[in-house]
Amino acid sequence: AQSVTQPDIHITVSEGASLELRCNYSYGATPYLFWYVQSPGQGLQLLLKYFSGDTLVQGIKGFEAEFKRSQSSFNLRKPSVHWSDAAEYFCAVGAAGGGNKLTFGTGTQLKVEL
Amino acid sequence: DAGVIQSPRHEVTEMGQEVTLRCKPISGHNSLFWYRQTMMRGLELLIYFNNNVPIDDSGMPEDRFSAKMPNASFSTLKIQPSEPRDSAVYFCASSRTSGAYNEQFFGPGTRLTVL
Repeated sequence: AQSVTQPDIHITVSEGASLELRCNYSYGATPYLFWYVQSPGQGLQLLLKYFSGDTLVQGIKGFEAEFKRSQSSFNLRKPSVHWSDAAEYFCAVGAAGGGNKLTFGTGTQLKVEL
Repeated sequence: DAGVIQSPRHEVTEMGQEVTLRCKPISGHNSLFWYRQTMMRGLELLIYFNNNVPIDDSGMPEDRFSAKMPNASFSTLKIQPSEPRDSAVYFCASSRTSGAYNEQFFGPGTRLTVL
């Protein structure tokens, strides 16, 4: 069965600084990978997804993520963080034939200092 | 275009009472997912439906939990009897199942407090 690890529970960055959130997955074949963001009191919103092709994917709100098969990673990045990016971020993996079922990581809480 | 609709947004009940959470998926979506989110266990998939049929209910914690999807536009998650440890935020999500993976769209959640 697939699994996802987000090693950082909390991260604090200054506004304008760069950001990288880590995600490692476990799955035997090529995974379907997603990053979602959850603002306080809200549901989850998709930031970006990777299915195949170019390993660097662009998402909404200026986020990008890079799929690295050799490291089983799908880290989320943003060159310059805005205060409104403070939220919880979830990495998720899906398996082929899984009917859109996703396995989520435990999330990383991002705090942005002004 | 309306997103996934959940009701109620907040529910406070006493232990032993029956609780029913409701979800209306996005029109045209044929997969529906129920999740539970807690501080201790994060986001857990409880059950999901494809074309109104339950496909995987392995995440349903125990017999007190049941879910139904009588038609393509409505689903319920019922807890009977409720217990304090059921306090959590319950999310419903829907997606269109066709070919490769498709994005799940999440509702705003129902915050359940069992006293």
